[in-house]
Amino acid sequence: QVQLQESGPGLVKPSETLSLTCSVFGDSISSGTHYWSWSRRPAGKGLEWIGRVYSSGATNYNPSLEGRVTISVDTSKNQFSLRLNSVTAADTAIYYCARDRNLAAGGKVFDPWGQGTLVTVSS
Amino acid sequence: DIVMTQSPDSLAVSLGERATINCKSSQSVLYNSNNKSYLAWYQQKPGQPPKLLIYWASTRDSGVPDRFSGSGSGTDFTLTISSLHAEDVAVYYCQQYYSNSPYTFGQGTKLEIK
Repeated sequence: QVQLQESGPGLVKPSETLSLTCSVFGDSISSGTHYWSWSRRPAGKGLEWIGRVYSSGATNYNPSLEGRVTISVDTSKNQFSLRLNSVTAADTAIYYCARDRNLAAGGKVFDPWGQGTLVTVSS
Repeated sequence: DIVMTQSPDSLAVSLGERATINCKSSQSVLYNSNNKSYLAWYQQKPGQPPKLLIYWASTRDSGVPDRFSGSGSGTDFTLTISSLHAEDVAVYYCQQYYSNSPYTFGQGTKLEIK
């Protein structure tokens, strides 16, 4: 059974950098089978996809966040990470990591998801 | 971006009754080469992460009860719960995976018991 677990600070000051790590259990990032994604859910709002990373380090980002976001992978630790710089209160959200599960015929869906971690941006 | 719009924003249904949630995409998510709509539905219960329910607009994921069904093609989609159970209280999201620039979700529909 594949499980993902987010970790990182729950409080970040405005203008600083948010850093989170996702640890993967039961699957191997280095196998190159899947992409691995970050999403977030601000309070009272819907889900927003942030971006994804492949085992090679290749990435795709949401254009709305491009320039502030970096997603990286550490295959030796079976982890991938999110960095979001110059944060504001608008970046306060529950952050989730997920596997981009491959479907036959080329599609990808998010399954499974980590439990999520609340990050609050406040001084 | 492909904008996903759900309706209604919230819904209250009696136990045992049918619940219907709609999702509309700003452009078609039907891939002509395989005739599949790249549309998924997720369920998010309070305090839990989203859970995949349906993909390809109508294929239930493994272990999902058959009271959940998806329909539609192109730009208009529906999630139906045929007989509401108490454990179905959740927020439901549609998501398109036709384009990863970016992947996008609907705003969510909150389903409650009447």
